[in-house]
Amino acid sequence: KAGVTQTPRYLIKTRGQQVTLSCSPISGHRSVSWYQQTPGQGLQFLFEYFSETQRNKGNFPGRFSGRQFSNSRSEMNVSTLELGDSALYLCASSLGWGDNEQFFGPGTRLTVL
Amino acid sequence: AQSVTQLDSHVSVSEGTPVLLRCNYSSSYSPSLFWYVQHPNKGLQLLLKYTSAATLVKGINGFEAEFKKSETSFHLTKPSAHMSDAAEYFCVVSDQGDYKLSFGAGTTVTVRA
Repeated sequence: KAGVTQTPRYLIKTRGQQVTLSCSPISGHRSVSWYQQTPGQGLQFLFEYFSETQRNKGNFPGRFSGRQFSNSRSEMNVSTLELGDSALYLCASSLGWGDNEQFFGPGTRLTVL
Repeated sequence: AQSVTQLDSHVSVSEGTPVLLRCNYSSSYSPSLFWYVQHPNKGLQLLLKYTSAATLVKGINGFEAEFKKSETSFHLTKPSAHMSDAAEYFCVVSDQGDYKLSFGAGTTVTVRA
């Protein structure tokens, strides 16, 4: 069974631009969560989606948004990029909402110049 | 609110000697606890999880952890370190009523030949 896939693996953007990251969960998994990993703040929860609805949200500004499609694939969007948004963005999938055993993808490394 | 404190930011061991990674947690409800490992430039891999069954949890690659409610601890151990164990390890807590994961700051393990 294929694992969680994330595209692209690497991105370079400039301040003020926007970016969209994609995540395909493990087949059969219906819940997708997103995390930001930085050296200074560590791993922080962004949001969780289940059945195309955001079920849980972390403490990030509104520039960070996401969505989930009917096939459970998810995208996250960051608008008006700032230097501090440079990070590894990790996607994790689980069977369903309330299932906290999460399986992580390799991440997308975003660099903002 | 849930939180995790990993007591050591860096642990260095010789190959073949035991590894101990310390983790204390804070949780309002019956927690689920996890240990994840992250190798360089890779995503997170689940080592083991505790979900209110046996207090001694066995995981992959010879790792195990013991849940001690009285000490609010969930320390990770391995009897004999291998070079491939060099990585960053994260202790994670999830409250029963709130399924998002809260990560510790991580412990970097170095294995000396």
